Amino acid sequence: GQNIDQPTEMTATEGAIVQINCTYQTSGFNGLFWYQQHAGEAPTFLSYNVLDGLEEKGRFSSFLSRSKGYSYLLLKELQMKDSASYLCAVRPGNTDKLIFGTGTRLQVFP
Amino acid sequence: DTGVSQDPRHKITKRGQNVTFRCDPISEHNRLYWYRQTLGQGPEFLTYFQNEAQLEKSRLLSDRFSAERPKGSFSTLEIQRTEQGDSAMYLCASSFTGGRTYNEQFFGPGTRLTVL
Repeated sequence: GQNIDQPTEMTATEGAIVQINCTYQTSGFNGLFWYQQHAGEAPTFLSYNVLDGLEEKGRFSSFLSRSKGYSYLLLKELQMKDSASYLCAVRPGNTDKLIFGTGTRLQVFP
Repeated sequence: DTGVSQDPRHKITKRGQNVTFRCDPISEHNRLYWYRQTLGQGPEFLTYFQNEAQLEKSRLLSDRFSAERPKGSFSTLEIQRTEQGDSAMYLCASSFTGGRTYNEQFFGPGTRLTVL
């Protein structure tokens, strides 16, 4: 079966750092994606990992450990506009579909 | 705006009626995907196309759902005999497989369906 787990909600303070974890169990693995989704809007692509290690892109970084079935998204220097849902998605082997987790709703407070 | 577009943005219908949604992908994107999202959940895969060929369809998709991409450009998703459980946001995404290796999917704004 396919299973992706991430926390339902997190809170953080403006200017702080927050780490959103994601664990997965899928039939095959061909990449992990993080998307950001503001309420009522479409998901927008943030990052992609297919090899173990850290990918950094500005204030956002994403880490992958394939042996542990684990990823995290790290957001630095949080801003109020970062309040959104963060979706972890895995592309299983031999398909181009994405399997999404339920999303982590992040609230950033002043 | 050259992003993915969907029409209509909102649809309210009565149980038992048929509805059809349209998706226009980013120009030259050869892959097109349909997902469904309910409140508090992540998107759930429905089906995807490469050009006009439907490559995969979710086993969760009943026979009431059908999707087409007749000329390899826009796509339609039809739901027949709608049920209240069909109420959701229907998201379309597109990608270009000839570009970057990770083939990111670009999502449209979605069509929100409410079945009364």
